[in-house]
Amino acid sequence: NAGVTQTPKFQVLKTGQSMTLQCAQDMNHEYMSWYRQDPGMGLRLIHYSVGAGITDQGEVPNGYNVSRSTTEDFPLRLLSAAPSQTSVYFCASSTGASGDDNEQFFGPGTRLTVL
Amino acid sequence: EDKVVQSPLSLVVHEGDTVTLNCSYEVTNFRSLLWYKQEKKAPTFLFMLTSSGIEKKSGRLSSILDKKELFSILNITATQTGDSAVYLCAVERDNDMRFGAGTRLTVKP
Repeated sequence: NAGVTQTPKFQVLKTGQSMTLQCAQDMNHEYMSWYRQDPGMGLRLIHYSVGAGITDQGEVPNGYNVSRSTTEDFPLRLLSAAPSQTSVYFCASSTGASGDDNEQFFGPGTRLTVL
Repeated sequence: EDKVVQSPLSLVVHEGDTVTLNCSYEVTNFRSLLWYKQEKKAPTFLFMLTSSGIEKKSGRLSSILDKKELFSILNITATQTGDSAVYLCAVERDNDMRFGAGTRLTVKP
């Protein structure tokens, strides 16, 4: 199993550009989520999905869109990048079950810089 | 407003010391509390706690949850330089997770 994969690892954008951060998992997990991590702020949830076709907003959803057309993929779209979106982005997945089976697995992260 | 607060924010100790990291929370629809260790890249899972008073242990690390007082502690005994990392506490709610800001632990030789 590859686990959770993210591409690209690094990206530099100009203000106003759009891009999609890719996330895929091969563990047949129902639950997938996107976080951003900024210095001194821990991980903040952007959007999450409890299964194919279902997405919802997290703590900081503004400026980001997601879709979940398959169980495996959960792309994150920035429609018009802003410098405030400079961050490290992590995708995570889990079974979504309660109890000890619900360990979240994280991707390696994407470091995004918006100039 | 839901929140997860970790303390201290940073900590410097010497090898062999014992450390206790704290996580307090106020969230609705609590399901579990999780601890992660983050070194250079993605967080790696340490513990998931769902019941009060039951200690979870893995080697030199242990953790316990108090659902009445709404906090958890992570203990690391006989620290090693390889324990240097940011330790994240996260509270799982019905459909999402809220993370604390983390505690940066530095273990000096």
